[in-house]
Amino acid sequence: DIKMTQSPSSLSASVGDRVTITCRASQSIRTYLNWYQQKPGKAPKFLIYDASSLQTGVSSKFSGSGSGTDFTLTISDLQPEDFGSYYCQQTYSPPWTFGQGTKVEIK
Amino acid sequence: QVQLQESGPGLVKPSETLTLTCNVSGAFIRNYYWSWIRQPPGKGLEWIGNIYYSGNSNYNPSLNSRATTSVDTSTNQVFLKLLSVTAADTAVYYCATGDPPEAFDMWGQGTMVTVSS
Repeated sequence: DIKMTQSPSSLSASVGDRVTITCRASQSIRTYLNWYQQKPGKAPKFLIYDASSLQTGVSSKFSGSGSGTDFTLTISDLQPEDFGSYYCQQTYSPPWTFGQGTKVEIK
Repeated sequence: QVQLQESGPGLVKPSETLTLTCNVSGAFIRNYYWSWIRQPPGKGLEWIGNIYYSGNSNYNPSLNSRATTSVDTSTNQVFLKLLSVTAADTAVYYCATGDPPEAFDMWGQGTMVTVSS
């Protein structure tokens, strides 16, 4: 299985900040990477596919980049509604695997 | 609008079989692969497996062949059976789908399952 490792595990940032979350794959996955946002008690929400393509209806404050083994999710102009956990997921090879998550808290 | 609604027993005893149902509305069930994903309390997401209406299915080897999925096109339902459950199977179980099948852009609200005697 391809192991996905996110860093940091949690972060606290202020409203208006730019936040970056990193996801590393245990082998090259080209750009077969998705990102999700999850609020407490809710199902995940699909944000980004193919490492950098924004899902329809998702705010352009979210952006993704990377290829191979290293990827980033950037949230610009952080707002209170952006709090929650963020997960990366590889779609290069089944079984589809997720990172352990990054919890974003608002200061 | 596609809606997915999971349901299940809530509490299952160790060694028993867990059966979950996902009711699908607003989508033609034959158009998609249907996945089950779980999340233990306070932990991350684990893909369990998926199924197409034809019966073609794929599973995560981590479940050691304990998981089986099925589809009933007449009732627009998707099912998950998990054999010989243990406390490690305690989790919120989600039904999810998307196009392509591994991009989960539609989710149910999840159903909590606790394995305990």
